[in-house]
Amino acid sequence: NAGVMQNPRHLVRRRGQEARLRCSPMKGHSHVYWYRQLPEEGLKFMVYLQKENIIDESGMPKERFSAEFPKEGPSILRIQQVVRGDSAAYFCASSPEGLRRNEQFFGPGTRLTVL
Amino acid sequence: TQLLEQSPQFLSIQEGENLTVYCNSSSVFSSLQWYRQEPGEGPVLLVTVVTGGEVKKLKRLTFQFGDARKDSSLHITAAQPGDTGLYLCAGREGSGNTGKLIFGQGTTLQVKP
Repeated sequence: NAGVMQNPRHLVRRRGQEARLRCSPMKGHSHVYWYRQLPEEGLKFMVYLQKENIIDESGMPKERFSAEFPKEGPSILRIQQVVRGDSAAYFCASSPEGLRRNEQFFGPGTRLTVL
Repeated sequence: TQLLEQSPQFLSIQEGENLTVYCNSSSVFSSLQWYRQEPGEGPVLLVTVVTGGEVKKLKRLTFQFGDARKDSSLHITAAQPGDTGLYLCAGREGSGNTGKLIFGQGTTLQVKP
């Protein structure tokens, strides 16, 4: 059973470009979460999605950031007009329904570098 | 906003020693999880504790959830070099639909052979 998949693992963008980060949850998981880990800081929650719905986006910056989890295909975290401060590791996690919904399983992350 | 404070932030010990990592908050969490993260990788779930006072063991690792569900500890017996890594505690807010985890800042453990 494959774990959470994220791609690309590394992404380099110049200031002003767009970054698209993809996340495929574990098989059978319908809850997806995105977190950001800045250098020397802990993981910070960004957004929580279920299929086609955003449940909680309280951690998302108000501008330039958006997320989706379509009916078919992976979840996408999109950052428009990237700035140097967006450089970080972005992690996706997924969880199943039911009693184990508390447990979030993380992907390997996408390391974004903005030049 | 709920916060989790981990201590110590850094720990360097010799192989065979015991250690305890603490995770404290002034807020109540519905559940708490411990993760281990290695450089360049994502956090790997070690354990989830849900009930106040709960104790779980995973080989040489013992996890405890405080009676009031505000704090937790991770105790490692006879540490091995393979235990080296970043240990993170994470609490789940409330019992509503939001599934977000609040993470501590982590404890970096180095076990020297």
